[in-house]
Amino acid sequence: ETGVTQTPRHLVMGMTNKKSLKCEQHLGHNAMYWYKQSAKKPLELMFVYSLEERVENNSVPSRFSPECPNSSHLFLHLHTLQPEDSALYLCASSQDLGVRSYNEQFFGPGTRLTVL
Amino acid sequence: RKEVEQDPGPFNVPEGATVAFNCTYSNSASQSFFWYRQDCRKEPKLLMSVYSSGNEDGRFTAQLNRASQYISLLIRDSKLSDSATYLCVVNRGDSSYKLIFGSGTRLLVRP
Repeated sequence: ETGVTQTPRHLVMGMTNKKSLKCEQHLGHNAMYWYKQSAKKPLELMFVYSLEERVENNSVPSRFSPECPNSSHLFLHLHTLQPEDSALYLCASSQDLGVRSYNEQFFGPGTRLTVL
Repeated sequence: RKEVEQDPGPFNVPEGATVAFNCTYSNSASQSFFWYRQDCRKEPKLLMSVYSSGNEDGRFTAQLNRASQYISLLIRDSKLSDSATYLCVVNRGDSSYKLIFGSGTRLLVRP
């Protein structure tokens, strides 16, 4: 199994729908992340979890709701999204938060989301 | 000023060429530096971490200049498979895990 997996790989949803993105890491890491990559823009950090505890919410609207039930799984629950939320959503993991070392993060393949 | 700035390119080079990318960062408190590679419509993949003394991995050499706040990546003997976007990544000075990604430099290696 590859290091970080994400499902679904593609998602089209209407503005009134509720959907969830799933991420699973098989690397034994303790930290997990959600990033957003919009067209022609750099990656933006959304949420950070360390040992299932959220340590960062980077001013993300409440229509995005993360959940981390254990250190291997991370979800992003979506509801009442806007067309401008269409983007590639990437999950990443790292050994820890890298307080005393480089925080090398490893990414999943992403979910390409289109909001109609 | 952007926190991490890169020349978007594209750099169009023939196979076998040597190509260099630079990146500047604005926060002097940043402590960790990386180059990631991203293929079209794929996820970023860690290419190499960049250490103060500079480091080399095969055809790739990365350098860090803290005084001038820039990072470089040198690719020797370019291969067609090196065609990708190269992302310069720096941690936000107040946090080891908040990574700031540049917009990337696109490299096209032609036969």
